[in-house]
Amino acid sequence: NAGVTQTPKFRILKIGQSMTLQCTQDMNHNYMYWYRQDPGMGLKLIYYSVGAGITDKGEVPNGYNVSRSTTEDFPLRLELAAPSQTSVYFCASSPREAKNIQYFGAGTRLSVL
Amino acid sequence: GDSVTQMEGPVTLSEEAFLTINCTYTATGYPSLFWYVQYPGEGLQLLLKATKADDKGSNKGFEATYRKETTSFHLEKGSVQVSDSAVYFCAPSTGNQFYFGTGTSLTVIP
Repeated sequence: NAGVTQTPKFRILKIGQSMTLQCTQDMNHNYMYWYRQDPGMGLKLIYYSVGAGITDKGEVPNGYNVSRSTTEDFPLRLELAAPSQTSVYFCASSPREAKNIQYFGAGTRLSVL
Repeated sequence: GDSVTQMEGPVTLSEEAFLTINCTYTATGYPSLFWYVQYPGEGLQLLLKATKADDKGSNKGFEATYRKETTSFHLEKGSVQVSDSAVYFCAPSTGNQFYFGTGTSLTVIP
């Protein structure tokens, strides 16, 4: 029962580097989400997807890109990493019939130095 | 826009103590209300929910009642256990989006 799997768990980047945070779910959920969690703050929605081929911006999309070529995968791309992107990133998914119930991955802790 | 205000932590309680974590929200629509819990090293998990006024969500001894008149969804538990140590997030949801509170860290000591 894997659920939502995120890789890597930890990563350190230099300013200007790029990377992709991977997220995959095996529950056949239509909806998928990317959040960031800054210290002492709540989760902020970066991007979300309501199905394969469809993505939408959330509250804080600048500096990020996403794609949803399959139902299972929803990678998050950072093209030019900046210190302001140091955060913990969470991927989540939810089924169409209960889209308000989200299932979260364990998170990716990213530091940009 | 929509927002949520959650009681700041950290909160430290002795085992079997009573727990209240306050949560109030502002929303333009009629949100569903959720409490999520994050155990150390894990992602968030749904704890309980309520979808309309006066509904009471409950799970694992935790309860919260949807109070539309005070726009609140306070989390309560009558007798906490060490295993309840975690971070708790209040989250109203409208449409496709959640608005998570800052989280309240709870530590229960034996």
